[in-house]
Amino acid sequence: GESVGLHLPTLSVQEGDNSIINCAYSNSASDYFIWYKQESGKGPQFIIDIRSNMDKRQGQRVTVLLNKTVKHLSLQIAATQPGDSAVYFCAETLYGGSQGNLIFGKGTKLSVKP
Amino acid sequence: GAVVSQHPSRVICKSGTSVKIECRSLDFQATTMFWYRQFPKQSLMLMATSNEGSKATYEQGVEKDKFLINHASLTLSTLTVTSAHPEDSSFYICSASKTGAWDQPQHFGDGTRLSIL
Repeated sequence: GESVGLHLPTLSVQEGDNSIINCAYSNSASDYFIWYKQESGKGPQFIIDIRSNMDKRQGQRVTVLLNKTVKHLSLQIAATQPGDSAVYFCAETLYGGSQGNLIFGKGTKLSVKP
Repeated sequence: GAVVSQHPSRVICKSGTSVKIECRSLDFQATTMFWYRQFPKQSLMLMATSNEGSKATYEQGVEKDKFLINHASLTLSTLTVTSAHPEDSSFYICSASKTGAWDQPQHFGDGTRLSIL
């Protein structure tokens, strides 16, 4: 289940189950969204992106869903594996904005139990 | 691919030392690179935007004289932490995008863990 407190929100799932990581983004004018995976001691790794004119996009074992009405983004990971254990960040930016205006969410730690 | 290499991965040094961190885009040219700072269990905070051939743009609250950025070529940006003190200890991460367009992802290096004694 999820826990929120002084530490990163944590999602614990069993290996083989599907994972859903949620993100509430801040700016209703944001047009482009990215999910990153960050393993311990490493930089963020690009997973999947979506533009605001879409509500769903699929990759390999991952799906991103965008609900602009409630400013909600989710990342679904199918058949979660131990290698998926990491911290996941959503990021948003504005149409035509500076590349540096990539705003990161707080992150969710995914723990996969074997 | 879009590979960004960062060096060194870890630095431990004494207070007062200046430390240089390199960020290279290995298989693409990057007009713009970015430098972030990340504290434990927190998200990434943008420090500055590095533009090839021009001065870097710093975020509010980031001391430009403390964190010197040089973007000498389309594949290399450096961050120098001058006269580092223990409060500068952190995880520094660079990123670059292939096109600089607003709707293209940034690709990140593996970060530099800086520890100031």
